[in-house]
Amino acid sequence: QVQLQGSGPGLVKPSETLSLTCTVSGGSIRSGNYYWSWIRQHPGKGLEWIGSIYYSGSAYYNPSLKSRVTMSVDTSKNHFSLKLSSVTAADTAVYFCARYHSNYYDSSGFLRGTYYFDYWGQGTLVTVSS
Amino acid sequence: QSALTQPPSASGSPGQSVTISCTGTSSDVGGYDYVSWYQQHPGKAPKVIIYEVFKRPSGVPDRFSGSKSGNTASLTVSGLQGEDEAEYYCSSHTGSNYVVFGGGTKVTVL
Repeated sequence: QVQLQGSGPGLVKPSETLSLTCTVSGGSIRSGNYYWSWIRQHPGKGLEWIGSIYYSGSAYYNPSLKSRVTMSVDTSKNHFSLKLSSVTAADTAVYFCARYHSNYYDSSGFLRGTYYFDYWGQGTLVTVSS
Repeated sequence: QSALTQPPSASGSPGQSVTISCTGTSSDVGGYDYVSWYQQHPGKAPKVIIYEVFKRPSGVPDRFSGSKSGNTASLTVSGLQGEDEAEYYCSSHTGSNYVVFGGGTKVTVL
């Protein structure tokens, strides 16, 4: 059973960089069928996709956050990370890491796209405050 | 990219059905069959209940069903049960390899 465990500081000062790590267990981060993703949820609000990264390092970021986001993968530790720079109070949120299932081989051996978040971490509350 | 549009709330009595809409554009919902739906209970992580518009992951009751017409996807919960009271989010993969979510719909079981 795949499990994702997010970790990192729960309190970050304004203008500093938020750093979170998500450790994957029960499966390899090197699998070609998945992107590894970060999603956040502001208090009492909806879900916001931050970005997704492939084990090779190829990444896609939400255009609204792209200038401040950096994601990375460490295959030796089977974990991936998020850095969000120049944070403000508006970045206070629960940050979820999740596995984005992107493709699979069907019964005929053809590679098919799929695209959905199949496993989620428990969420890490990050508060931006001095 | 703009968020997908969902009604903020929906409700039904036990045993009844409720349908939630999710409206996007031809660049996301209308352009690809990669719409998924997530159920989130308070304080918990979301859980996928529908993917690729209508497919259910193993373990998800067949009371949950999905469909799509044009730029609008829909989730129907039939035979409402108390445990179905939760927030529901739609999501779509987009042509730019981005992901967009809906604003969420709070389902109340009366």
